[in-house]
Amino acid sequence: GAVVSQHPSRVICKSGTSVKIECRSLDFQATTMFWYRQFPKQSLMLMATSNEGSKATYEQGVEKDKFLINHASLTLSTLTVTSAHPEDSSFYICSASGAGEQYFGPGTRLTVT
Amino acid sequence: AQSVTQPDIHITVSEGASLELRCNYSYGATPYLFWYVQSPGQGLQLLLKYFSGDTLVQGIKGFEAEFKRSQSSFNLRKPSVHWSDAAEYFCAVAFTGGGNKLTFGTGTQLKVEL
Repeated sequence: GAVVSQHPSRVICKSGTSVKIECRSLDFQATTMFWYRQFPKQSLMLMATSNEGSKATYEQGVEKDKFLINHASLTLSTLTVTSAHPEDSSFYICSASGAGEQYFGPGTRLTVT
Repeated sequence: AQSVTQPDIHITVSEGASLELRCNYSYGATPYLFWYVQSPGQGLQLLLKYFSGDTLVQGIKGFEAEFKRSQSSFNLRKPSVHWSDAAEYFCAVAFTGGGNKLTFGTGTQLKVEL
């Protein structure tokens, strides 16, 4: 099956700094990628839809200036958490859409101290 | 608004026993339906999906699910659970015209007793 990678798998940063998370489709081209956030013991909440070469579409309640998404190529999308605060600590998961199906990355655990 | 409900937060079964995980959705039309499994440190893996046709869907790892339109349900079943099936299971739906966006249920944590 298709493989999606995320980097880093874990990151700890200080409050006020920015963190970039990469999502790559390794063996297929993905015109659309999705970014999710998962709180402990909770479900995945869609944050935004990222389309290659265009601006991301954010879900209601998601701050686009805080969660910057770039989808510069068909195999790479990045999520930058700007001016991170402890409440941004979470598990961030990306998925890449291909052949009518979504393939998920293993997730990135962000801890803001 | 569309929604997905997984009524059982935790389920514990003995190895070899049968399993049924419940999923209900709220939507005016038939959505596309999915079941995913999430293991620690790994990405979500698709177990099976329903788009149309036969309402009994076979998936990987011996799982199956049945779409029941009258009950707005898509329950996941396995006749004999293995210890390696212990994981978090998510039901998800995509709605027509939604651009492949998935809405997830809250998940069911499956524990398997040896």
